[in-house]
Formats: sequence, C-alpha cells, structure tokens
Amino acid sequence: SQTIHQWPATLVQPVGSPLSLECTVEGTSNPNLYWYRQAAGRGLQLLFYSVGIGQISSEVPQNLSASRPQDRQFILSSKKLLLSDSGFYLCAWSVLFHGELFFGEGSRLTVL
Amino acid sequence: QQQVKQSPQSLIVQKGGISIINCAYENTAFDYFPWYQQFPGKGPALLIAIRPDVSEKKEGRFTISFNKSAKQFSLHIMDSQPGDSATYFCAASGGTGGFKTIFGAGTRLFVKA
Repeated sequence: SQTIHQWPATLVQPVGSPLSLECTVEGTSNPNLYWYRQAAGRGLQLLFYSVGIGQISSEVPQNLSASRPQDRQFILSSKKLLLSDSGFYLCAWSVLFHGELFFGEGSRLTVL
Repeated sequence: QQQVKQSPQSLIVQKGGISIINCAYENTAFDYFPWYQQFPGKGPALLIAIRPDVSEKKEGRFTISFNKSAKQFSLHIMDSQPGDSATYFCAASGGTGGFKTIFGAGTRLFVKA
C-alpha cells in the first residue's frame, strides 16, 4: 500500500533562518507531488507541484523553493524565513492527471 | 477563473440533522470535483468525488449534487453525527489546470450532540 511521510511535524523558527521540509512517498512510482500551505482557518493554497524528477512548477511568487531530487522525494526550502511563512504545510501525491490527492500529516511552522 | 467559492464558512447542525455545504466554480473545463474532510492537526482526506457526467453521487450518508449548467455542486451529510465535526473542502481540477487541484476556503462543521 502507498504511504506518505512528512517531517518534521512541528517546528518553530526565527525570522531569517533557513527552512527544509521533507516529504517521501512509498509504494508508488512516478507520482505527481504537491506542496500546499494552509494558513490558520483558511483554505489550501497550492505552492508547488512536480510531475517528475527535477520538474518543479511554482504557483505563488515567494521566498520558498521546492526540489525533487528523487522520484518519490519532495523538499520545500527557504533561505530566509518571513513571519508570513507561518502556517500548516501539506505534502500530497497523486497518480492520475487529475484525481484524488493523498495528503501527508502536515508540518506546522511557526516563524517568530 | 480558477477559483472555487465555498459557503458557508462555518455551520452548526444538530445531531441527526442535514448538513449542506455549497460550492461554485467558474472554469467550465474542470472535470473532477472532490470533497475533502480534515480533522484538526491532520491532512485532508478524500470523502467523495464526482465527475460532471452525473448529477448526483451517494456514498452512505454523504451525497454530492452537481449542477453543470449553474456551475455549482454541493455536499449533503444526512443524519449528521458529532464524529462528522471537521473542516470540509470542496475542490476542482482538470482542463487547462491539468495537475492542479483548486480548493475552496473550507467549511467548519460542528455537529451538536
């Protein structure tokens, strides 16, 4: 069966510090991978998606970046965090061109 | 044109009642309309989904009604239970959006015992 792992689950970072969130998927090959951000009490904002290794599409201009170094690994990074980067970050995968998304447990980031 | 508008923002229903959440979309190329359920501190999970070739889909107590001409779809939860208390998101994907799934703002449902 397929599983998705996302870590860390919680982190508190000072403004200006770097960020690295990691997501891995098991049990499937060549998944589409996504990073979403959920602000408190708000909807889900698509940040990045990837349809293959090294292929990253950005949806929102910001100080975040994403990378896909391996088929089932997706990394969200920042060189310098802003207060506005606080939120609940969700990694997800799908296999169909447009179909069900399978979400990870999320990473809650607080920037102080 | 890529937006999905969801209402209400929050909803309180008595146990045993019917919960209704509505969504509207603009992009007629969308062809997959899922509803996700999210409990606090967890990632969303697919609840039920519909494609525009049918007007209704029912799974247990959950029903999606789809009106293609009005570009609207809704989630009905029959016999609502306290365990249904969660945030519900409608979404849409397909067409020129391709791999992207666009989410509504979410509805926080609270079912009173």
